[in-house]
Amino acid sequence: ETGVTQSPTHLIKTRGQQVTLRCSSQSGHNTVSWYQQALGQGPQFIFQYYREEENGRGNFPPRFSGLQFPNYSSELNVNALELDDSALYLCASSPPGLADPYEQYFGPGTRLTVT
Amino acid sequence: KQEVTQIPAALSVPEGENLVLNCSFTDSAIYNLQWFRQDPGKGLTSLLLIQSSQREQTSGRLNASLDKSSGRSTLYIAASQPGDSATYLCAVTNDYKLSFGAGTTVTVRA
Repeated sequence: ETGVTQSPTHLIKTRGQQVTLRCSSQSGHNTVSWYQQALGQGPQFIFQYYREEENGRGNFPPRFSGLQFPNYSSELNVNALELDDSALYLCASSPPGLADPYEQYFGPGTRLTVT
Repeated sequence: KQEVTQIPAALSVPEGENLVLNCSFTDSAIYNLQWFRQDPGKGLTSLLLIQSSQREQTSGRLNASLDKSSGRSTLYIAASQPGDSATYLCAVTNDYKLSFGAGTTVTVRA
């Protein structure tokens, strides 16, 4: 069984640019959540997608947007990058059905540096 | 808004000593509580998940307790080893999302 994977591992962008981060859910999981973890802090919830629809959103501006595809993979897009967007971005997937829908399985993360 | 606090922020112990990590949360209407381990620059590894109806969970040298009414959880790690050095994060589930504490960074000295 393949776990949650994320790409790229690291990337460096310039302030004002746009970035797309990708996540492949664990096999059979139909819910994906994205979190932002700044250095020295706990992860902060960005949003969640369930069956290709946004299912909830944290306190992040609209320039953070996402997509979930029919195969349940997902993208996080950030427009007009700011220096404070530098962080580790974590993707997590959750199983459907009778399994615990709130147990989240995390990927290794993408380290974004904005200069 | 759910607030999760972890005390202490950092902990250094000699090898073999037992570790006690504390987590508190403000909203007791949680679905579950998870403890994660994070190595520097890496993702999260789930250690234990406690459902809101449970009082504790155990896995090997790890034991986590949950007192939902008082908004507290404690992670015990027995007979610590240098390989236990990492940051330990507590997270609670309300509705569909996890709320995390800032973590406790543990150093186990050989």
